[in-house]
Amino acid sequence: GQQLNQSPQSMFIQEGEDVSMNCTSSSIFNTWLWYKQEPGEGPVLLIALYKAGELTSNGRLTAQFGITRKDSFLNISASIPSDVGIYFCAGQRGSQGNLIFGKGTKLSVKP
Amino acid sequence: GAVVSQHPSWVICKSGTSVKIECRSLDFQATTMFWYRQFPKQSLMLMATSNEGSKATYEQGVEKDKFLINHASLTLSTLTVTSAHPEDSSFYICSACPMANQQFFGPGTRLTVL
Repeated sequence: GQQLNQSPQSMFIQEGEDVSMNCTSSSIFNTWLWYKQEPGEGPVLLIALYKAGELTSNGRLTAQFGITRKDSFLNISASIPSDVGIYFCAGQRGSQGNLIFGKGTKLSVKP
Repeated sequence: GAVVSQHPSWVICKSGTSVKIECRSLDFQATTMFWYRQFPKQSLMLMATSNEGSKATYEQGVEKDKFLINHASLTLSTLTVTSAHPEDSSFYICSACPMANQQFFGPGTRLTVL
């Protein structure tokens, strides 16, 4: 099935550093969602974006819906060890439609 | 709010047997639920869309006779893997939408077929 282009694939950073990851698509989406998944668990919704150009924060996390509706980025500021996990972007076309996922960004944080 | 549960959280079965996985929305009603499959170190791939009171919609390449989906109520969808084989071993995750444009996931079910 279709997947989004998510980068980077993995990141190894020092605690306290900022992190940035992004997703791009060849087609437009009405909604962009960012999830975090830890081993053996389901994805947990972090941020949902509904409008082109929208910039939304959730604590140390900030995400933006690209103006072209074909991309989105997620920033994590001042990373901490518990930020470790795999971050997935997901695009949705309809309001109740299925999600198209990126391949994930694996984040490792060194204390 | 917006809690989705799955049962069981893990299951080990012999090849050829059938396994049923339940997905429940605990604090909201969901006319639509989604079933995803995730292989190790890979992303989630949609298998099917479960619709309350009607037939599920399957993604291309997913055998509807092998992966039976029943959405009998507004809070419960079940996925039955029939005649399971080792290649069906995977992490199965369901999701539901308590409101438009937001999708919440269950904790997943790890299936291992021996």
